[in-house]
Amino acid sequence: EVQLVESGGGLVQPGGSLKLSCAASGFTFSGSAMHWVRQASGKGLEWVGRIRSKANNHATLYAASVKGRFTISRDESKNTAYLQMSSLKTEDTAVYYCISDYYDSGGLNFDYWGQGTLVTVSS
Amino acid sequence: QSVLTQPPSASGTPGQRVTISCSGSRSNIGSNYVYWYQRLPGTAPKLLIYNNNQRPSGVPDRFSGSQSGTSASLAISGLRSDDEADYYCATWDDSLSGPVVFGGGTKLTVL
Repeated sequence: EVQLVESGGGLVQPGGSLKLSCAASGFTFSGSAMHWVRQASGKGLEWVGRIRSKANNHATLYAASVKGRFTISRDESKNTAYLQMSSLKTEDTAVYYCISDYYDSGGLNFDYWGQGTLVTVSS
Repeated sequence: QSVLTQPPSASGTPGQRVTISCSGSRSNIGSNYVYWYQRLPGTAPKLLIYNNNQRPSGVPDRFSGSQSGTSASLAISGLRSDDEADYYCATWDDSLSGPVVFGGGTKLTVL
């Protein structure tokens, strides 16, 4: 069974940092691209960024709204993807979803989604 | 304000055919594939359509996608009560709005 389990969410003050983890199982993690998408309460989906597979040099790409503040990484030995968030703003408050593109298609084939983890940025 | 424009709501009766539109521009829908996702209440979204009109394994052929110019559409035929969900379109965007843009989502109600 495919599973993506996010963790690390919580309450953080503006300007603070937080690192989300996404533990993958049930599929070939090493061959997949991993994306992060967020959804603020009452709002639509917003793409945050992605990291491709080793075959594609672990290339990363970010939304303009988080570029320079967020970093996506992955550890193949742990089948885990990470989202390091720094200089957090109140507008970063959202549920963050980890997503896999199973074949690293280069597109937006969001094949599997995690259940999401809530990040609240507030003083 | 989403870069891709979707109607906030749509509705239909069981058995009907419903269409949800997604309007963009040359830098996004006009030059990239469109993807559609379904979010059932209380669940994470699910990929419904990729590359404009392709269905992943397991998605019924009642769901179909199309793209023309700077617009795309998701059609659902033989509407069922369990199709009631939020539907989102997304694509790459070659402009400063990118790299990836979503529609604001359409809530489909089955009457």
